Amino acid sequence: SQQGEEDPQALSIQEGENATMNCSYKTSINNLQWYRQNSGRGLVHLILIRSNEREKHSGRLRVTLDTSKKSSSLLITASRAADTASYFCATARWRGGTSYGKLTFGQGTILTVHP
Amino acid sequence: GAGVSQSPSNKVTEKGKDVELRCDPISGHTALYWYRQSLGQGLEFLIYFQGNSAPDKSGLPSDRFSAERTGGSVSTLTIQRTQQEDSAVYLCASSPAGRDTDTQYFGPGTRLTVL
Repeated sequence: SQQGEEDPQALSIQEGENATMNCSYKTSINNLQWYRQNSGRGLVHLILIRSNEREKHSGRLRVTLDTSKKSSSLLITASRAADTASYFCATARWRGGTSYGKLTFGQGTILTVHP
Repeated sequence: GAGVSQSPSNKVTEKGKDVELRCDPISGHTALYWYRQSLGQGLEFLIYFQGNSAPDKSGLPSDRFSAERTGGSVSTLTIQRTQQEDSAVYLCASSPAGRDTDTQYFGPGTRLTVL
């Protein structure tokens, strides 16, 4: 079952604008990750934020995490047509104190950036 | 180096037939994951292999699904007596050590269509 809920389900913007996607989850997590998927095939890891972090940057990406609200956001600044893709959040949980790599994915946001 | 590869890229089968999907992880990665992506269910975890430990099969939807990983490398996901609801993209991923903070590297997926 999907732990994460993402909104919006679809986002359409113009090149140069910023895109913000949100993700909510239900259980305690160890970290939250964002992935990108083109054309319904393989996913590409974008960024990981640990549960004790509140904000993280990578290039044009900015991720925030609010564990009290069980939510995260992904901001893509100065978007480009090449950013058009589906974006998924995924959470990783501790299992009995053991590091565990199983990911639980959200439903995803379809981002379309118009040139 | 080479990424995760999966074969076949597309598979069309008739209801009731068995299928085998193959995953070649990145060399040296000890952890291997299978996920399924379908329109109705999104991205779902299926099974997780980590080194010589017993696999986590908690995501397998029924006993028609099984997977093995030979020699700690190549993995095969087998679906017996396929049903139409098995139609989906099956994604394989590997990570260096199965830690929750490891980046998971995804293959391009196998699109399974059950007629």
